[in-house]
Amino acid sequence: NAGVMQNPRHLVRRRGQEARLRCSPVKGHSHVYWYRQLPEEGLKFMVYLQKENIIDESGMPKERFSAEFPKEGPSILRIQQVVRGDSAAYFCASSPEGPLNAQPQHFGDGTRLSIL
Amino acid sequence: EDQVTQSPEALRLQEGESSSLNCSYTVSGLRGLFWYRQDPGKGPEFLFTLYSAGEEKEKERLKATLTKKESFLHITAPKPEDSATYLCAVQAGGDMRFGAGTRLTVKP
Repeated sequence: NAGVMQNPRHLVRRRGQEARLRCSPVKGHSHVYWYRQLPEEGLKFMVYLQKENIIDESGMPKERFSAEFPKEGPSILRIQQVVRGDSAAYFCASSPEGPLNAQPQHFGDGTRLSIL
Repeated sequence: EDQVTQSPEALRLQEGESSSLNCSYTVSGLRGLFWYRQDPGKGPEFLFTLYSAGEEKEKERLKATLTKKESFLHITAPKPEDSATYLCAVQAGGDMRFGAGTRLTVKP
């Protein structure tokens, strides 16, 4: 069984460009979460999505960031007009049920975004 | 505000030297506490879930315990391959809140 797949693994963008990060959850999982990790820091929750719906986006900046999880295809985290401070590792996780059931989330290996 | 604090930040052990990692939390209505292992350049790998005070889980050289205020990850006779960053996370409401991790190095 394939785990959570993220691509690309590494992404380099210049300031002002757009970054698109993709995440395919574990087969059968309909709940997807995005996290950001800075060096020497823990993972920070950004957004929680269920198929075609954003459930909780309280950790995601209001401007320039958006996320989607369409009926078909991977979840996408989109960052418009990137700035140096967006440089980080972005991780996606999935679970078969929602967070209120306190099931473990299964993580991909992340996308390392570097802004020049 | 929900908080998760892990200590120590870094721990160096000799192979075979047992020790414990601590995760202290302040959260209203804990639904679950999770331990993950993260290797450099990789995503967190799930280890354990603990749901209520007094619960214990074991896997090979690792044992996780939970009280009302903290969790411990005990490592018995560690090996160099146990070197990694160990992350603790709590879930109360919708989002999972992570600590900053303990970076464990086991020397042969």
